Amino acid sequence: DAKTTQPTSMDCAEGRAANLPCNHSTISGNEYVYWYRQIHSQGPQYIIHGLKNNETNEMASLIITEDRKSSTLILPHATLRDTAVYYCILERAGRRALTFGSGTRLQVQP
Amino acid sequence: GAGVSQSPRYKVAKRGQDVALRCDPISGHVSLFWYQQALGQGPEFLTYFQNEAQLDKSGLPSDRFFAERPEGSVSTLKIQRTQQEDSAVYLCASSSRQGAPNTEAFFGQGTRLTVV
Repeated sequence: DAKTTQPTSMDCAEGRAANLPCNHSTISGNEYVYWYRQIHSQGPQYIIHGLKNNETNEMASLIITEDRKSSTLILPHATLRDTAVYYCILERAGRRALTFGSGTRLQVQP
Repeated sequence: GAGVSQSPRYKVAKRGQDVALRCDPISGHVSLFWYQQALGQGPEFLTYFQNEAQLDKSGLPSDRFFAERPEGSVSTLKIQRTQQEDSAVYLCASSSRQGAPNTEAFFGQGTRLTVV
């Protein structure tokens, strides 16, 4: 399975956009890009996923490069409640479980 | 409640004691997963159920770990003869589809197990 590389930590000012990068240079054609986040003392929460097209929902936008070797999760207006560990995960069709890495610890500053 | 419910939230066990952790998934969800999360690390997959069938238990770390979901809803993760290295948060997740990648998994808050 392909691996992902994320920065260990990032800071963002409240109200600004948070852009979280993820590198996945060995991604396979049938692997989806998933993003989950985990707020302290809670279980992980699904944010968004995509295969090759950019995706947007009420929480975030996912931008996937044309070669699919990297992606960016965008939180358009970060709030203090967005402080969490963000996981970028690759999963292929038919695989049943998520493989979490170490994630990016995002700290939103007031 | 509408979410995944786990109990107890916290469990302290003496080394060698058996423990049972319960997961109530979202009603009607076919898939159920158990994960183990050590302090400061991401969750690691333990086992997967589709209805009552345990289709993947490749992540269970030893034969002291056993999971069941006899009626295809509530699941129990049992750990026999607990060891200190079993100390972790145990997370349960459920999803509505049969493990298809384009569905989201809903996680419970987890059970924090401390073995002393």
